Amino acid sequence: KAGVTQTPRYLIKTRGQQVTLSCSPISGHRSVSWYQQTPGQGLQFLFEYFSETQRNKGNFPGRFSGRQFSNSRSEMNVSTLELGDSALYLCASSLGGGSVYGYTFGSGTRLTVV
Amino acid sequence: GQQLNQSPQSMFIQEGEDVSMNCTSSSIFNTWLWYKQDPGEGPVLLIALYKAGELTSNGRLTAQFGITRKDSFLNISASIPSDVGIYFCAGPEVRGGGSNYKLTFGKGTLLTVNP
Repeated sequence: KAGVTQTPRYLIKTRGQQVTLSCSPISGHRSVSWYQQTPGQGLQFLFEYFSETQRNKGNFPGRFSGRQFSNSRSEMNVSTLELGDSALYLCASSLGGGSVYGYTFGSGTRLTVV
Repeated sequence: GQQLNQSPQSMFIQEGEDVSMNCTSSSIFNTWLWYKQDPGEGPVLLIALYKAGELTSNGRLTAQFGITRKDSFLNISASIPSDVGIYFCAGPEVRGGGSNYKLTFGKGTLLTVNP
């Protein structure tokens, strides 16, 4: 079965711009989580969506937002980009129940802010 | 929130050697996960542990869920060049009655294998 698909794979943006990243989960998975990965901070949780509702949120500023559509696809948006937002953004999908079984990551979107 | 301390930060070994890395937490976890991340890719689940004391193998990989539920280790035997990558431990921080969770990750162990 198809895995988690993230688009685009690479992105270069200028400070002050905004960006939208997309994540298509594994078919049947209803939960999508987003993470930011940087060399210094490792994997940091951004937020999780389940059935179009944000269930959990990490400690990121309001410039980071997301949404989930009825087909479980998710997007995250970063407004007013800063140099420090350069990172690998990963999404992971799962069935969405109480178990972490099946928690699968996409290949990520590498965002570079210049 | 919960924090996971993973060590060592990096390892440089010769092909054929065994490797051991571990993860500790200040809080109890009910599940421990070990992931591997290849360059430019997302983490891939290697082993999941669901019970304190559990010892689970996946090929040359063996992981154990510590009896205190605050630690876990991962061993790789007879390492090969394709074992190169970053290894992460992770555990779910359960919220909202058990159905909502997020994964907390260790900072990773970078493994380099010299052929």
